[in-house]
Amino acid sequence: QKEVEQDPGPLSVPEGAIVSLNCTYSNSAFQYFMWYRQYSRKGPELLMYTYSSGNKEDGRFTAQVDKSSKYISLFIRDSQPSDSATYLCAMSETGANNLFFGTGTRLTVIP
Amino acid sequence: DTGVSQNPRHKITKRGQNVTFRCDPISEHNRLYWYRQTLGQGPEFLTYFQNEAQLEKSRLLSDRFSAERPKGSFSTLEIQRTEQGDSAMYLCASSLAPPNTEAFFGQGTRLTVV
Repeated sequence: QKEVEQDPGPLSVPEGAIVSLNCTYSNSAFQYFMWYRQYSRKGPELLMYTYSSGNKEDGRFTAQVDKSSKYISLFIRDSQPSDSATYLCAMSETGANNLFFGTGTRLTVIP
Repeated sequence: DTGVSQNPRHKITKRGQNVTFRCDPISEHNRLYWYRQTLGQGPEFLTYFQNEAQLEKSRLLSDRFSAERPKGSFSTLEIQRTEQGDSAMYLCASSLAPPNTEAFFGQGTRLTVV
């Protein structure tokens, strides 16, 4: 069993839709949770960073962490074609060293 | 540009050759990380430095791989006797020390071993 499971998609939505991206994990010691966006042939770009449980909002993006269910989510409101990318969840016990990544979900927002 | 910088962006090499990649982190970041990403997968941790000290190495980092960070600034990752299985994107990231450990990635070096 992988440490982090993420539905690879692909996921296609119309412009303006609400997008929900999810990851599950098995290691209860994970405390740092991140979402990255990666465009084709580029490095991952940090979108959201959460320590422990709870919600965090930044503009159109909301990250949720439910440690009791070992489940994290990223919501994108009013999705735009520029949001089309691969979204990677990442998590670790101690910070950015030894981050465990999901395989990524490929999102396409159709104008 | 004050982000993480990696060079070269692309490298094509013949099997058996040695290659070296360079990473320049964000200037105030004392932690530097190397990850490897293959097609359709998320990045996998290789190693990290705090200042000039290499603090952790993944079991993925075989004896053919070596990383250095002299003077705690830029870092190099060398792969000796490259194999086709080494073909991947090599990503560098940097962060401050805990508790602020948001990691920012560079654009990566794409290695193709032919």
